[in-house]
Amino acid sequence: AQSVTQPDIHITVSEGASLELRCNYSYGATPYLFWYVQSPGQGLQLLLKYFSGDTLVQGIKGFEAEFKRSQSSFNLRKPSVHWSDAAEYFCAVGVNTGFQKLVFGTGTRLLVSP
Amino acid sequence: DAGITQSPRHKVTETGTPVTLRCHQTENHRYMYWYRQDPGHGLRLIHYSYGVKDTDKGEVSDGYSVSRSKTEDFLLTLESATSSQTSVYFCAISGDGAPLEKLFFGSGTQLSVL
Repeated sequence: AQSVTQPDIHITVSEGASLELRCNYSYGATPYLFWYVQSPGQGLQLLLKYFSGDTLVQGIKGFEAEFKRSQSSFNLRKPSVHWSDAAEYFCAVGVNTGFQKLVFGTGTRLLVSP
Repeated sequence: DAGITQSPRHKVTETGTPVTLRCHQTENHRYMYWYRQDPGHGLRLIHYSYGVKDTDKGEVSDGYSVSRSKTEDFLLTLESATSSQTSVYFCAISGDGAPLEKLFFGSGTQLSVL
């Protein structure tokens, strides 16, 4: 079955430090991969997506992610974290079982310390 | 931002009562989804729709039903609410073509079943 694993429930990063959020997926076919961000009390906003081509994808707010097929991973990175990046981050894989839909990971809550 | 409105934003109800959540869109998008979000589970798909009167079950559909009598409205009904259905419910929409490429989420409905 398709699944997404985000092994870190919480991560605390100092403001200005670099960030990497881990995501591993399980899907038999070529994956469509996504990262979404959710600020408190808000819906989800798409940060970036990978469909094909260059395995390093750039997103909004200075985020990037790298698709590594050999590791079944799609880790999210940011070189310098800002206090406004504190939020919950969800990795998702797009699956096609006759209909395209997203399967989400359990999320990683990012805390930013001064 | 995509025109998605979820109503109500917050609801408290008692076990055994029926509850209907509404998702209204102004984008004329074909695809609509209902997800629930719970700590430790991320977002899980309840039901989805691929057109008027065309709906299907997602991974956690037990205890829920949906209806879509017109393009702009997708209703989620809990026939007899239970405490396990206390959750945040998100509606999402996407257009024709590749449905996952542009998936937009509403702001959510916080439902508490006492």
